[in-house]
Amino acid sequence: DVKVTQSSRYLVKRTGEKVFLECVQDMDHENMFWYRQDPGLGLRLIYFSYDVKMKEKGDIPEGYSVSREKKERFSLILESASTNQTSMYLCASSPGNIEKLFFGSGTQLSVL
Amino acid sequence: GEDVEQSLFLSVREGDSSVINCTYTDSSSTYLYWYKQEPGAGLQLLTYIFSNMDMKQDQRLTVLLNKKDKHLSLRIADTQTGDSAIYFCAENPGGGADGLTFGKGTHLIIQP
Repeated sequence: DVKVTQSSRYLVKRTGEKVFLECVQDMDHENMFWYRQDPGLGLRLIYFSYDVKMKEKGDIPEGYSVSREKKERFSLILESASTNQTSMYLCASSPGNIEKLFFGSGTQLSVL
Repeated sequence: GEDVEQSLFLSVREGDSSVINCTYTDSSSTYLYWYKQEPGAGLQLLTYIFSNMDMKQDQRLTVLLNKKDKHLSLRIADTQTGDSAIYFCAENPGGGADGLTFGKGTHLIIQP
């Protein structure tokens, strides 16, 4: 089975802190994605990556950046966390030419 | 951006059939998907249908696709308490690999 692992289940950070959310997949997938999930808004795509060192903006990239130095790892970075970034963050991966996303369990981030 | 619409709640009695409906906007989507999210977990791919099909059946699940009306439905036969979850409809706009566009999710509530 594909495994997508997000390093933290819950995180509490303070406004202005730099936050790293880590995601690792073990199936050699080319594509990796970061979504945030908010009540009433569903899932929104923040950033995605086709390959190592490549990144593309999704629908709501403002306030975020990403890093993909290795194929299996995709990091989401909040340079200066703000309270409106309190959310559930979901990482996903997919094989190169098949549009099935496999999700991690999510990281619930609270910014105080 | 593209919009995927689905109702927020559906309540059914245990043993009855559940039908969750979805409308999407991008006629070039190659696949359409149903994901399931149980409490505290990430999203799990439940089933998907290729855009040139109009029906797919998998055990208790039946997916119907009306491409003309851009309408997708998921029918769960003999609904059980374990089916209680949020169900997300999703499309891949443009048929490409730029991530999926999700609806806001339908909370399926099972009454005893």
